[in-house]
Formats: sequence, structure tokens, C-alpha cells
Amino acid sequence: AQTVTQSQPEMSVQEAETVTLSCTYDTSENNYYLFWYKQPPSRQMILVIRQEAYKQQNATENRFSVNFQKAAKSFSLKISDSQLGDTAMYFCAFMKHATSGTYKYIFGTGTRLKVLA
Amino acid sequence: DTGVSQDPRHKITKRGQNVTFRCDPISEHNRLYWYRQTLGQGPEFLTYFQNEAQLEKSRLLSDRFSAERPKGSFSTLEIQRTEQGDSAMYLCASSLGQAGDSGNTIYFGEGSWLTVV
Repeated sequence: AQTVTQSQPEMSVQEAETVTLSCTYDTSENNYYLFWYKQPPSRQMILVIRQEAYKQQNATENRFSVNFQKAAKSFSLKISDSQLGDTAMYFCAFMKHATSGTYKYIFGTGTRLKVLA
Repeated sequence: DTGVSQDPRHKITKRGQNVTFRCDPISEHNRLYWYRQTLGQGPEFLTYFQNEAQLEKSRLLSDRFSAERPKGSFSTLEIQRTEQGDSAMYLCASSLGQAGDSGNTIYFGEGSWLTVV
């Protein structure tokens, strides 16, 4: 069975600084997808960034980038130039490739990030 | 695009009562998911529909839980004989799945909070 581990329950960062959130996962699959979702307080969960396992290039979305280490089964999220609006819970998620016939996401327990003014 | 909407947003019920939650997915999305999230945890998969067919169910979905998606549009999640352990946020999500698609980003609603007293 797949598992996703986020070992940092809480983190804080000064505004405009850079922060990295860790995620490791366990799977025997070769093709899969990894995601980072953001859940602001009392707001809905939104996608931050996604990575296909077959792609060696790390995904980037503006200030958000990932460090995907397939062999190590590690998928960290780097937030550059942190902004107050980045304060939220961040969830790492795993999904098998669609050919597996399942579309179930497996989520980690989350990292609560607080950006300090 | 009005996003995924859920109703009610909050529900307080007495133990033993039945409750029903409704989810309206993004209009063109054919896949619909239900997740459950408790405080301090990531979302846990409950069930998934492709159009009107319920294709996958978690073992978390006991026989007191039933989900439907008549006509492949909105979905309902009913919990019968509620227990205090059912207190959680119930998240609905949807996605546009296409034959041979290589990824499946899901879009979440704001969730329905259930408190069983």
C-alpha cells in the first residue's frame, strides 16, 4: 500500500524568505503522480503544483518549485519569496497512474506553514 | 465556472440521526470523489464515481454510509445512525477525466462540517 509522510507538523518563515516543506512516500509503482495542495484557514483546498513521476525535470509554478528525487521517494516543496497569503496547511499527495484503474489520492498529514510579517 | 459546491456547509446532529450532504461538481467534470478529513489529518478517500457509476469504495465507508450520483451530475452522501466518530469534514472533489488521460488533477469544494453530539 502507498503511504505519504510529512514529518514537519508546523513551520514558520519570515515574509520574503524561502522555505522548504518535506514529503516522502512509499510505493512499488513506477508510474504515478505527486501533488502539493494548499488549504488556507477555513478555505477550500487548492492545487499548488503537480509532478509526473516519469518526468525528470522538476515542476515549477511561479514562486513554487519541487525537488523530486524518485530513487529516494522524496518530493519537497520550495516556496520562494514567501508571502502572508501563503499561510496555510500544505498537503502532499500521491496518485497511481490512471492505467492502474484507480483515481484515489493518498494524502499526508500536512504541514502547517505560518508566514511571519 | 462556479467550482465545486457543497451543502450544507455545517451540520450539527444528534447521535443516531441520519444526515445527507450534497455535492455539485464543476459542470463538465465526469469524475466525483468524496473524502473525509478530521482535525490534524489529511483527507482520506471514501469513494469515487465516474459519471453515475460508483467505481471505488474505501473500507472506511461502512454500511452506514451510502453515496449516489444519479444521472452523473450532483452526488449525495448519506450517513445513517450517526456516531460521534463520524464528526469530520466531508470533502467533495471533481475532475475531468478523458480516455487515456495521463493525470488527474482534482478540484475540491469547501467541505461540509459534521458535528455529532
